[in-house]
Formats: sequence, structure tokens, C-alpha cells
Amino acid sequence: DGGITQSPKYLFRKEGQNVTLSCEQNLNHDAMYWYRQDPGQGLRLIYYSQIVNDFQKGDIAEGYSVSREKKESFPLTVTSAQKNPTAFYLCASSIGRNNEQFFGPGTRLTVL
Amino acid sequence: SQQGEEDPQALSIQEGENATMNCSYKTSINNLQWYRQNSGRGLVHLILIRSNEREKHSGRLRVTLDTSKKSSSLLITASRAADTASYFCATDGRRNRDDKIIFGKGTRLHILP
Repeated sequence: DGGITQSPKYLFRKEGQNVTLSCEQNLNHDAMYWYRQDPGQGLRLIYYSQIVNDFQKGDIAEGYSVSREKKESFPLTVTSAQKNPTAFYLCASSIGRNNEQFFGPGTRLTVL
Repeated sequence: SQQGEEDPQALSIQEGENATMNCSYKTSINNLQWYRQNSGRGLVHLILIRSNEREKHSGRLRVTLDTSKKSSSLLITASRAADTASYFCATDGRRNRDDKIIFGKGTRLHILP
């Protein structure tokens, strides 16, 4: 089955800890994206990558970092510099820019 | 920056009725997309309409686009309980050099039995 997966589904972190969220796709898509969603809100773009070994900051990149070493994988690290990290994180991929995006099931991060 | 904005923020209708949601945007676009999100899940793509198209259908969904008014509407006919979800419009910006797609805050649709 082709698709996009995220793990874990729920993640708890203590203040001051870095944590990495996984995102994998086997759709052979070039573009991948990370979004943050807060309750009752829309999606805000954190980082995106249009090709391997290249990525760009989105609207709310501060306190986050990413890598794109493989086409299939786009992990997101939430660092201790992110002041309010508790949120629902969504990863997506698309064939190219401005095309239909395929979303993973999301990771709900809670900072204790 | 928010490009698309959905209206209303929330909508409750009886099962079997039609549901209409609207999206307004600010700058010229290449295309506009609608997505659905069930509670606690990822988004699912519903339909994409290009700037040179005025109407598009997919099953019980009908999307219209009025570029002169910078607005789009999503109509769900004969609503079902399973249609309960949040609906988002997403727009690209024709003048947007980094070609990001921007999502609105969504319309929460609740279908009453």
C-alpha cells in the first residue's frame, strides 16, 4: 500500500528536551511538508522540502529543525527553543509544488 | 499570512440537507483546493479547481470558483453523518515566489441525525 506514515501517534516530552517526529512516504513524491495545528485552528507551515538535501523555512520555523537526506523521509525535530510545542503535527507530501497533498495521520505532542 | 478564509466557522445541519461552505482569498491564484479533516486525523484531499475553471463536481461535492470575487464555495448535497468533519480551503499564490500552499482555518461541519 502506498501512503505516508507518521510516528509516534502520541508523544510526551518534558520541558527542555528535544524530540524527533518521524515522517515516511512511499509515494515517490518529491515535495514534503510539516504543519502545526492548534485546537480549532488551521494549518501553519513549519518547514517544507521540494527535493532531497534541500528544505525551506515556513511561517513558524523557529524552534524546529528538519533534514531531508532521503526522498522517503522528512523528520522534524522540536527543540527546547520552541516555547509552546504542545500541538498536533501533520506531515504531508505531494508530487510537486501546488499539487494535491497527501497527509499522514499526525502526531500529537504534549509537553509536560 | 492567511490567504484563504472559510465561512462560516461552524455549521450544523440536519442529515439529508445540503451544506455550503465558502472560502475567500486575497491574491491571484493558480488553483484552489478543498480538504476534509476528521477529528484527530490527517487531512484528505477532496477536489482541486484551477483558476480557469468555474465549477467542478465529484460525487456529492460541487465546487465553484469566482476569480473576480476571489471566492470559492463547496457544496455537499444530501449530507450524511459521515460528512461531519472540518473542511479547509487551500490556495497557492500566483505571485508567491516560494509557491507555498496556504490553508484557511476551516469550517466545522456537524450533521445532526
